[in-house]
Parts: sequence; C-alpha cells; structure tokens
Amino acid sequence: AQSVAQPEDQVNVAEGNPLTVKCTYSVSGNPYLFWYVQYPNRGLQFLLKYITGDNLVKGSYGFEAEFNKSQTSFHLKKPSALVSDSALYFCAVTSDTGRRALTFGSGTRLQVQP
Amino acid sequence: GAVVSQHPSWVICKSGTSVKIECRSLDFQATTMFWYRQFPKQSLMLMATSNEGSKATYEQGVEKDKFLINHASLTLSTLTVTSAHPEDSSFYICSARDYLETGTLKLFFGSGTQLSVL
Repeated sequence: AQSVAQPEDQVNVAEGNPLTVKCTYSVSGNPYLFWYVQYPNRGLQFLLKYITGDNLVKGSYGFEAEFNKSQTSFHLKKPSALVSDSALYFCAVTSDTGRRALTFGSGTRLQVQP
Repeated sequence: GAVVSQHPSWVICKSGTSVKIECRSLDFQATTMFWYRQFPKQSLMLMATSNEGSKATYEQGVEKDKFLINHASLTLSTLTVTSAHPEDSSFYICSARDYLETGTLKLFFGSGTQLSVL
C-alpha cells in the first residue's frame, strides 16, 4: 500500500519570505511524486513531479521540490512567497508497480500574508 | 496543453434522484481515467479506475452499484451517482492519463463537480 503524509494543516508565511510545505511518503517500488495546487472551487493544477533523475525538481510558478530518498520526503519550496500563492497544496505518490493511481496527502493550506 | 473537461461544475438534486457527471479528454485519448471524491477540508480519495471498453475497478468500500462508471470511448468517462442521498454530497474530480504518454505518467485533472443532495 502507498501513503502520503502532510503533517501541517496550514502554513503561514509573509510575502517575500521563503516557504516550505512538507510531504513524506511510503510506497513499494520506486516512487513517483507529484505536487498539485487547488484554488477555491477549482480542480487540481499540476505544479511539478519527480520520476527519476535530479533530486531537485523545478516546476510551475517558481516552485521546486527536493526528493530525499533516505528521508522518504518530497518537500515543496519557493524562495519568495507571493500572496497569490495562497491555496491548498496536495502531495501525491504512485509507483512503478500497481495501477498507477495517485494517492494524495491530506493537503496543506498555504496562507501568504501581505 | 492537454485539457480535461468535467461537466457539470455543480449540481443540486433531490434525494433519490440520479446524477451523471461527464469527464472528457479534449485533445488526447485516455485509456484510463480515475474518479476521486473530496470531502470538505479533506484529501482526494480514489473511488475507481475506469478503463476504456472494460469494467471499472472500484476501491474498497465504494459501492459499484451506487457509483456507476462507464468508459465507452477513449475520450469520455461518466460517473452516475444513483439514488443520491445527502451523504453523497461531495466534490468529485476525474483525471485522465494520455494514452500516448503512459510511460511518463502525465495525468490531467478535470475542474471537479460539486454535488449537493437535498
């Protein structure tokens, strides 16, 4: 079975400061990791993914995430937060075995204050 | 980029009626579509995997007779909530995998359907 943990329900950060949204995972096989963002009453928007290769993955809107195999983590980061980054962020995992359906974390609400 | 269209965006219905939600891949073919359900302030939970031309695979605890899934073509999957009750009120989201991109795990999500059962 695969699972994802997002330990923080909410992260608050001031505009211009760096932000980190945490994610740890558990899978059988090699992990494929994703970050999605959800704005109110909207579907999910893809931010970035890690399949293989460089552990630091760069994605949309200036976000990046670092894959750490030993810590089974895939934290989302951004060097300088914007108020418009305020949204709900989901980490998701699948693997190179099984049906490839994604398992999502519980979500972390990011609030960027002006 | 690839687009998945989900319709309707929201629906209000009376208890006991059935509601059909459509998920279309607009510019690619999707042999596999996934249906998720999201309760308020909770994560997305996979309900079922829909494969074109075959029966859907349901996750444990999901009633296949209540949530009917039809994937009749490479661009359309439907989820029908039969005899809906207030506890079925939720946000339903579909996702589709590009047939030609199965090796890269490109998944595209619909905008979701908010179902409210009175």
